[in-house]
Amino acid sequence: AQSVTQPDIHITVSEGASLELRCNYSYGATPYLFWYVQSPGQGLQLLLKYFSGDTLVQGIKGFEAEFKRSQSSFNLRKPSVHWSDAAEYFCAVGTGTASKLTFGTGTRLQVTL
Amino acid sequence: GAGVSQSPSNKVTEKGKDVELRCDPISGHTALYWYRQSLGQGLEFLIYFQGNSAPDKSGLPSDRFSAERTGGSVSTLTIQRTQQEDSAVYLCASSQAGAGNTIYFGEGSWLTVV
Repeated sequence: AQSVTQPDIHITVSEGASLELRCNYSYGATPYLFWYVQSPGQGLQLLLKYFSGDTLVQGIKGFEAEFKRSQSSFNLRKPSVHWSDAAEYFCAVGTGTASKLTFGTGTRLQVTL
Repeated sequence: GAGVSQSPSNKVTEKGKDVELRCDPISGHTALYWYRQSLGQGLEFLIYFQGNSAPDKSGLPSDRFSAERTGGSVSTLTIQRTQQEDSAVYLCASSQAGAGNTIYFGEGSWLTVV
């Protein structure tokens, strides 16, 4: 069965600093990969997704992620973090013909001014 | 509606009572999902509906949990004889059919069992 690991439970960065959130997956074939963001009291919003093709994926709010098959990773990056980016970030993998996702446990991002 | 709509947004119930949570998916989406998000944990898949196919119930944690989807649209998640460990946010989501399609989430129903 597929699984997703987000090794960082909590990350704090200063506003304007760069950000990288780690995500590793386990799956035997090419996965569909997603990053979602959840602000306090809100539902999940899709930031970006990878299906195939270009391994560097651009998303909303200035985020990008790179699929690295050799490392089974799909890390999320942003060159300059804004205070409004403080939220919880979830990496997810979708596989096969079903669309259901397996989520990581999330990384909570705190942004200091 | 424009997005996935869930009700109630908050529900406090006594242990042992039954609760029903409602989800209204995005119009035209044939796939509907229920996930559970417990404090300090990730999202746990519960059940998946796709069109007229038999639902994938592999994530339901016990037989106290059930869900139905009427007319291929609105879904109701029912928890019978609620327990304190059922306290969580229950998220509904929908998507178009097919692997890899974007899954859109509602804002969730926060259930507290006291």
